[in-house]
Amino acid sequence: NAGVTQTPKFQVLKTGQSMTLQCAQDMNHNSMYWYRQDPGMGLRLIYYSASEGTTDKGEVPNGYNVSRLNKREFSLRLESAAPSQTSVYFCASSALPGAEGSYEQYFGPGTRLTVT
Amino acid sequence: GENVEQHPSTLSVQEGDSAVIKCTYSDSASNYFPWYKQELGKRPQLIIDIRSNVGEKKDQRIAVTLNKTAKHFSLHITETQPEDSAVYFCADVTGGATNKLIFGTGTLLAVQP
Repeated sequence: NAGVTQTPKFQVLKTGQSMTLQCAQDMNHNSMYWYRQDPGMGLRLIYYSASEGTTDKGEVPNGYNVSRLNKREFSLRLESAAPSQTSVYFCASSALPGAEGSYEQYFGPGTRLTVT
Repeated sequence: GENVEQHPSTLSVQEGDSAVIKCTYSDSASNYFPWYKQELGKRPQLIIDIRSNVGEKKDQRIAVTLNKTAKHFSLHITETQPEDSAVYFCADVTGGATNKLIFGTGTLLAVQP
């Protein structure tokens, strides 16, 4: 049971290049999320997918697109990378809240992206 | 939109002392308040959470208190140890069907041996 996995772990891009960050979970979770983490800014939600077939914008969606490929996989695409997108990117997943009402999110190991 | 403020941004304590981190939220419909711990270079992990129908919850050396009237909640760590050194994030979930978390900006806790 690998939990949430992300690829790649590290990436360096030049301004204007594109790339896709991959995320997969094996916990049969309905919801998946993409965050970026910058010093002093905490975790900011880029996009999320409450369930398979749906995606919604979070706090900072500009410059990104997402695809919920199936229940397991949720990818994040940068079409034209900018230096402002230098960050650590985390994918997360969660089950639907049960009777106990836990919204626990399980995070992947992160991708450190540098745009020069 | 919903906003979560977290203080302090950094906290240094001596080993064995207590540490308290506070968060305030703006949405009165918020009903779930988790705390995540992130060690250096690692992923965030849930350490404790509380729902809005409970005022306090404890798990060994950590506890969370919630004051719904004042819209604030706090993390308390007693008998701190060097392995408690990490960044701690509070969060909340706004009301409704969404399970989207809004995170605070984090507190870097340093426990000095």
